[in-house]
Amino acid sequence: DIQMTQSPSLLSASVGDRVTLSCKASQNIYKYLNWYQQKLGEAPKLLIYYTNSLQTGIPSRFSGSGSGTDYTLTISSLQPEDVATYFCQQYNSWYTFGAGTKLELK
Amino acid sequence: EVQILETGGGLVKPGGSLRLSCATSGFNFNDYFMNWVRQAPGKGLEWVAQIRNKNYNYATYYAESLEGRVTISRDDSKSSVYLQVSSLRAEDTAIYYCTRLGNNRFDYWGQGVMVTVSS
Repeated sequence: DIQMTQSPSLLSASVGDRVTLSCKASQNIYKYLNWYQQKLGEAPKLLIYYTNSLQTGIPSRFSGSGSGTDYTLTISSLQPEDVATYFCQQYNSWYTFGAGTKLELK
Repeated sequence: EVQILETGGGLVKPGGSLRLSCATSGFNFNDYFMNWVRQAPGKGLEWVAQIRNKNYNYATYYAESLEGRVTISRDDSKSSVYLQVSSLRAEDTAIYYCTRLGNNRFDYWGQGVMVTVSS
């Protein structure tokens, strides 16, 4: 099984900050990586697919990058509505999710 | 508008079984692979099961951790997918989400249904 490790588990940042969330796979996943946002009490929502493609309707302040085993989700200017938990998910071999990064406002 | 609605959750005793239903609308159900993903309270997401469409002979796949205790099925005439879970354990307590797989991404999710396993 491919394990996905996200860091940090908790991130505090201020409105307007540039925020970077990391996701590391236990083996090469060839960019087969999606990112989801989950707000409290809601279902996950797809943000980014295939490492760096923005899902329709998602603000352009969200972006993704990476290759091999290391991937990043970046929010260029944090907004209050971005408070949520973010999950990465690989689909190179079935589907596994990271444990999530909880993003809060400082 | 794509809509996904899960029903059938509730409180179940250990060893019991439950059948979850997922009704969909707003897209051509026949074209898609459907999945169940669960989330234990305060925890991360775990893929549970997938059922492919008619073009793939309705093939089914399961997470190893649940294989033998879960069965996924679909009814294309009702645009619905189902998950039967048996021999329930406390660690099966979770929100169960029905989700559509579109081009290798879980692009639409239901609001989820809570399953609590407790005596």
